[in-house]
Amino acid sequence: DADVTQTPRNRITKTGKRIMLECSQTKGHDRMYWYRQDPGLGLRLIYYSFDVKDINKGEISDGYSVSRQAQAKFSLSLESAIPNQTALYFCATSDLRAGITDTQYFGPGTRLTVL
Amino acid sequence: AQKVTQAQTEISVVEKEDVTLDCVYETRDTTYYLFWYKQPPSGELVFLIRRNSFDEQNEISGRYSWNFQKSTSSFNFTITASQVVDSAVYFCALSEGYTGTASKLTFGTGTRLQVTL
Repeated sequence: DADVTQTPRNRITKTGKRIMLECSQTKGHDRMYWYRQDPGLGLRLIYYSFDVKDINKGEISDGYSVSRQAQAKFSLSLESAIPNQTALYFCATSDLRAGITDTQYFGPGTRLTVL
Repeated sequence: AQKVTQAQTEISVVEKEDVTLDCVYETRDTTYYLFWYKQPPSGELVFLIRRNSFDEQNEISGRYSWNFQKSTSSFNFTITASQVVDSAVYFCALSEGYTGTASKLTFGTGTRLQVTL
């Protein structure tokens, strides 16, 4: 089984709808991240979380919210989806115990299309 | 602010050719980490290597090698005797040293490598 899983893998929704993307990990890592990937722009950080009680905004948090339900679960919500949120979304995890700067391991991605 | 530049948008080579993917970074920190990730056509991101700013030794792993040069702020990736399975988008990323917050990665825009028979 994969260490980092994302659900759904693909989603098509309409403008104005609320949508939640979920991420679960079995790696036992304490840090979790959400990124979005757009063609030609690489990956950009949306939110990140140190632990269940620590959530921080990333580079492009507007229009998104997150919830860290447990150490292993980190959800990303689009309260009112808009077409320019169409992108590939990645969840990642890393291990604080690994050192000051730890390697991030990514889930398989969720392809979201907002019509 | 930190920045990663991958000037090569797309590279096409014939199988068995060697190919080098360029990565140039900018940072004000003296402690930082550099990464390469591979994104095959299936879409997932696969970690390849991590290098810290105090270790300028080149790294070789099979057909892959990495050349880190602080003098030119570059961390280039070479694939020797390329294979069709190497076809992917490759991302270079930078994480500054301890900032009191989570280790945030700054990614380059990626280089698409196409290896043909």
